[in-house]
Amino acid sequence: DGGITQSPKYLFRKEGQNVTLSCEQNLNHDAMYWYRQDPGQGLRLIYYSQIVNDFQKGDIAEGYSVSREKKESFPLTVTSAQKNPTAFYLCASGLTGANYGYTFGSGTRLTVV
Amino acid sequence: QKEVEQNSGPLSVPEGAIASLNCTYSDRGSQSFFWYRQYSGKSPELIMFIYSNGDKEDGRFTAQLNKASQYVSLLIRDSQPSDSATYLCAVGVNRDDKIIFGKGTRLHILP
Repeated sequence: DGGITQSPKYLFRKEGQNVTLSCEQNLNHDAMYWYRQDPGQGLRLIYYSQIVNDFQKGDIAEGYSVSREKKESFPLTVTSAQKNPTAFYLCASGLTGANYGYTFGSGTRLTVV
Repeated sequence: QKEVEQNSGPLSVPEGAIASLNCTYSDRGSQSFFWYRQYSGKSPELIMFIYSNGDKEDGRFTAQLNKASQYVSLLIRDSQPSDSATYLCAVGVNRDDKIIFGKGTRLHILP
């Protein structure tokens, strides 16, 4: 079955640590996206990529980094520079353009301990 | 700044009634419109999309689009407790290759 897989489902980070969230899709989508969702808040775009080896900053990129070495994979690293990383992180993928909607992964809940 | 506005709710609707969720958008260049359902603690799921003015029906769901008024709505007929969720309106602007999400409306179906 085609889909988009995020791992891990839950992640705990100590102060000063970098952590990497995985996102893999087998939908043959060119575009991939990372969003952050805080309780009671909407989706905020962190980074997006529309083609392999290229990505752009979203609205809240500070303290995050990404790579897009393969079409199927778009990992997100939450660095120690991100001062308030506790949130629900959602990865999405879609066909290039804005006509078809996005498919979301099941999310990773990151907590700072 | 392109915006998609929704009433945050909660919107409480008795079981069996029609739930009406509304959304306005600011960019007249918007060409595609989506409704996502998000259960608490889960990820958003696409339930409807519409591109042309008018109504589009799928089972108990009807999406309505009025581009002149920059308004899109979602009607849920015969509301069930399982419809209780947050509904996100999303708008696509082709020239930007982006979809902009509203903050969502919380819907509570009263048994």
